[in-house]
Amino acid sequence: DAGITQSPRYKITETGRQVTLMCHQTWSHSYMFWYRQDLGHGLRLIYYSAAADITDKGEVPDGYVVSRSKTENFPLTLESATRSQTSVYFCASSESVGGTGHNEQFFGPGTRLTVL
Amino acid sequence: KNEVEQSPQNLTAQEGEFITINCSYSVGISALHWLQQHPGGGIVSLFMLSSGKKKHGRLIATINIQEKHSSLHITASHPRDSAVYICAVRWKGAQKLVFGQGTRLTINP
Repeated sequence: DAGITQSPRYKITETGRQVTLMCHQTWSHSYMFWYRQDLGHGLRLIYYSAAADITDKGEVPDGYVVSRSKTENFPLTLESATRSQTSVYFCASSESVGGTGHNEQFFGPGTRLTVL
Repeated sequence: KNEVEQSPQNLTAQEGEFITINCSYSVGISALHWLQQHPGGGIVSLFMLSSGKKKHGRLIATINIQEKHSSLHITASHPRDSAVYICAVRWKGAQKLVFGQGTRLTINP
């Protein structure tokens, strides 16, 4: 399917377990982003990637790990899930981020994660 | 303190009314985005602005760089416009977006 997809869409896990959220885009966009959305905080950036093998921390990176071995995939791993990581997670991609280029971000449908 | 402030936080109006949502930010930006999030959760980019005004259908977005302020207007509002509208800015020289907390708009028939 064309576009940006996330899996799973819903996940329930227990405290201490490792969880990986997948994100896949078919546009060959250079930039990919992971956000979490919580009531009272809006969207907050967890990690982003400017290209394959290049990642950088966002506003709230603690407890998360990312990798980007291929341009189209940007998985987010919670190494040892905590209840505070219960949230809705959105992946996004864009062709570029600066100047007057194609900076629009395209968002995936989101993953609702519950940590018990 | 959030460096991107939206107002109002919640807005309820009747179908057909002219809607204005505001976004203010604290320092110089390279771009400002308006996003729409429907109750189902999906997020869609509406506009990206660096100056002036853009129009798409019944939606109009304006930005005043000197005043560090942007507005999103909806003309002839309709219940299907009910959604959360989110303002996001990219600071000059930055690669990341910073988001406002969103404005929840409800249009009653």
